[in-house]
Amino acid sequence: DAKTTQPTSMDCAEGRAANLPCNHSTISGNEYVYWYRQIHSQGPQYIIHGLKNNETNEMASLIITEDRKSSTLILPHATLRDTAVYYCIGRSKLSGTYKYIFGTGTRLKVLA
Amino acid sequence: GAGVSQSPSNKVTEKGKDVELRCDPISGHTALYWYRQRLGQGLEFLIYFQGNSAPDKSGLPSDRFSAERTGESVSTLTIQRTQQEDSAVYLCASSNWGGGAYGYTFGSGTRLTVV
Repeated sequence: DAKTTQPTSMDCAEGRAANLPCNHSTISGNEYVYWYRQIHSQGPQYIIHGLKNNETNEMASLIITEDRKSSTLILPHATLRDTAVYYCIGRSKLSGTYKYIFGTGTRLKVLA
Repeated sequence: GAGVSQSPSNKVTEKGKDVELRCDPISGHTALYWYRQRLGQGLEFLIYFQGNSAPDKSGLPSDRFSAERTGESVSTLTIQRTQQEDSAVYLCASSNWGGGAYGYTFGSGTRLTVV
């Protein structure tokens, strides 16, 4: 059961790096960690995912600890448009099928 | 289409009426999910379709909720005898294989208000 724990909210100054932590101590060895974000009034948007190695794409970087019990999403130069709720999710097998369980996420506010 | 399309975008209905929400997934996506999001809350899983397999209905909150999907195309979520606590944004997502490594693409949701 890939339960995740995230801080409720964070602030970040515009232009600075935003580091969003996530604990997922119960994640299975072969399960990915996914990050999504939800900008107000829109559906969630996929950002990045990883298994063991650190990952980087055009949106963000993902740092996963060696024991895979936690990860950090890094937005290297946060802009006002990055203000959103960020979800760290894992996949859980419930009632025979795999599902993604979204918690309440971290509400990131980028400040001018 | 290019993305997941949901309709209507907004729906206001009277308590006790039935409503139908529609989701057009990305063409070729075999997996389709419905989630509910109440104001200020996270996403609550409702139902999952994968290809021609029997749907996983384990998240439906009551027998007033049902959903159908024809093959790998359109899905409809039906709420009968709506209650005020059904007011929420209903989000649909699709994926090109069973919820796997490429994640979901979400629609913009249907905002349902029961008055």
